Amino acid sequence: DQQVKQNSPSLSVQEGRISILNCDYTNSMFDYFLWYKKYPAEGPTFLISISSIKDKNEDGRFTVFLNKSAKHLSLHIVPSQPGDSAVYFCAASSDNNDMRFGAGTRLTVKP
Amino acid sequence: DTGVSQDPRHKITKRGQNVTFRCDPISEHNRLYWYRQTLGQGPEFLTYFQNEAQLEKSRLLSDRFSAERPKGSFSTLEIQRTEQGDSAMYLCASSFILPGQGYGYTFGSGTRLTVV
Repeated sequence: DQQVKQNSPSLSVQEGRISILNCDYTNSMFDYFLWYKKYPAEGPTFLISISSIKDKNEDGRFTVFLNKSAKHLSLHIVPSQPGDSAVYFCAASSDNNDMRFGAGTRLTVKP
Repeated sequence: DTGVSQDPRHKITKRGQNVTFRCDPISEHNRLYWYRQTLGQGPEFLTYFQNEAQLEKSRLLSDRFSAERPKGSFSTLEIQRTEQGDSAMYLCASSFILPGQGYGYTFGSGTRLTVV
């Protein structure tokens, strides 16, 4: 059961522009949402998170937006840099239980 | 502490053989998770431990799979009678607390299993 969906398998952006990665979820019980970044041959690394009581969380170039009514969240990266090129996973959990991941979006930032 | 360690990084085995993977979590983290990731997919939950207690198992974890965390520190994941469909990246993670936001995971680099 795909409770967390990332419908765009890939995204290509020019350096300096904004990257927007999207994620949809179906389980209304999810109350924490996270974004992970993964380079080849490495495990995913934590990037940024948001609680369901918020609609925005910002950390440097990274901002996560949550729209609970639409069950949608997005990750904005601005300005995008070539080093941001990686696979980005959206994840969600409820009551501090195990996390469910989307299938990932491969971001390519072109110089 | 250098993070979550997994051993081996790569394992090639013949179908029908048994394999065992090890995970050493970050020492302060009491929760440990096993996930499996296949090409083009996100990590899929297999099981997790709180200290030495195995609290949840996914239906993906068939009876050929067993996980242990005997002393609440390192964990092992064993796959018996491996099948080609078991080929995947096996990820271990331990959890940290995000103040006011619940848990996040620190992942290891994974063990890539290839069953031939």
